Amino acid sequence: QKEVEQNSGPLSVPEGAIASLNCTYSDRGSQSFFWYRQYSGKSPELIMSIYSNGDKEDGRFTAQLNKASQYVSLLIRDSQPSDSATYLCAGRPRNSGGYQKVTFGTGTKLQVIP
Amino acid sequence: EPEVTQTPSHQVTQMGQEVILRCVPISNHLYFYWYRQILGQKVEFLVSFYNNEISEKSEIFDDQFSVERPDGSNFTLKIRSTKLEDSAMYFCASGADYSPLHFGNGTRLTVT
Repeated sequence: QKEVEQNSGPLSVPEGAIASLNCTYSDRGSQSFFWYRQYSGKSPELIMSIYSNGDKEDGRFTAQLNKASQYVSLLIRDSQPSDSATYLCAGRPRNSGGYQKVTFGTGTKLQVIP
Repeated sequence: EPEVTQTPSHQVTQMGQEVILRCVPISNHLYFYWYRQILGQKVEFLVSFYNNEISEKSEIFDDQFSVERPDGSNFTLKIRSTKLEDSAMYFCASGADYSPLHFGNGTRLTVT
């Protein structure tokens, strides 16, 4: 059973538009969620973390968490060609230990068209 | 900003050979991880390490894999007898209590 699921895309949006990336998770006990950006051939780079229901904004990025529906989303406002990358959703299970692994989805490829 | 450092960036080895991938985690982090990513596939968890012992490992992390923290700064992943299917990007990550993971730039392992 997949733990974190994402649409693989590609998701194409015009420059300046809002890109909406979605993720669902199966472990209802998951407490922490993260969005990473990965350029081709590079390592995952943390964009946002979110731990409680609702929205969290950081610059052009807004993460949303709905634990009742078990989904996480990332909105990118004013999308730029440099935002073109694969976006990885990741979750961490119930906090029984600070070392708990993070589980990744397959990633959604975003293409921002100039 | 502190970062996780991995060496080498690219390692080519012959099937059956042993390789050691090296990592220097962020200095005040307590938790260390190895992940791998086969080309075109998802980032997969291999092992987590805390307090000088393995805290969790995946089914991928079989007897040919081992991890070690030989001193206060380095964290290594050893693959004893490499197979073609071990070819992948290997990422080291570190974290503090309940924090996000911070990844190194990765080592691309090519087994021929």
